[in-house]
Amino acid sequence: DIQMTQSPSSVSASVGDRVTITCRASQDISTWLAWYQQKPGKAPKLLIYSASSLQSGVPSRFSGSGSGTDFTLTISSLQPEDSATYYCQQAKSFPTFGQGTRLEIK
Amino acid sequence: QVQLQESGPGLVKPSETLSLTCTVSGGSISSYYWSWIRQPPGKGLEYVGYIYYSGTTDYNPSLKSRVTISVDTSKNQFSLKLSSVTTADTAIYYCAKGGGGIAANYWGQGTLVTVSS
Repeated sequence: DIQMTQSPSSVSASVGDRVTITCRASQDISTWLAWYQQKPGKAPKLLIYSASSLQSGVPSRFSGSGSGTDFTLTISSLQPEDSATYYCQQAKSFPTFGQGTRLEIK
Repeated sequence: QVQLQESGPGLVKPSETLSLTCTVSGGSISSYYWSWIRQPPGKGLEYVGYIYYSGTTDYNPSLKSRVTISVDTSKNQFSLKLSSVTTADTAIYYCAKGGGGIAANYWGQGTLVTVSS
């Protein structure tokens, strides 16, 4: 199976900061990658699919990039409501998730 | 707006079978993939498996011998059965629209299933 590794495991940033989360696949997955946001007690929410396509209704401060094995989720200007855990997920073969990145607002 | 709702027992005994149903409203179950994803308390997400409306399935290799996902298009529902459960199967179980190469864009609220005697 394809292993997904996210970094960092946790990050703390201030409102207005630019935040970047990375995800690395154990083998080439082209652009078969999605990003999800999960807040405590809630189901995950799809942010990005196909590595860089913004899901309808998601704020434009979220963006995704990458292909092959290395991917990035960027929040251009951090807002208080962005405090959450973020997961990447590959869809090249049977789906697998990264371990998650917890984002805290300072 | 598609909505999904999980239903089933919240407590299952070890060695027994976990059974959950996901009811889809606001849209047809036809022509899409549908998934079960779980999350042990305080831990990350794990795909259990998914089904196409026609009945084609794919399962997590680590669970394959114990998992069955089925679909009932007449009821707009799909279901999960996980046999021979242990305490390691205790988790919040989510149903979602998506699977295969399609990202999960609609999710149920999740249901906590505890495996305990």
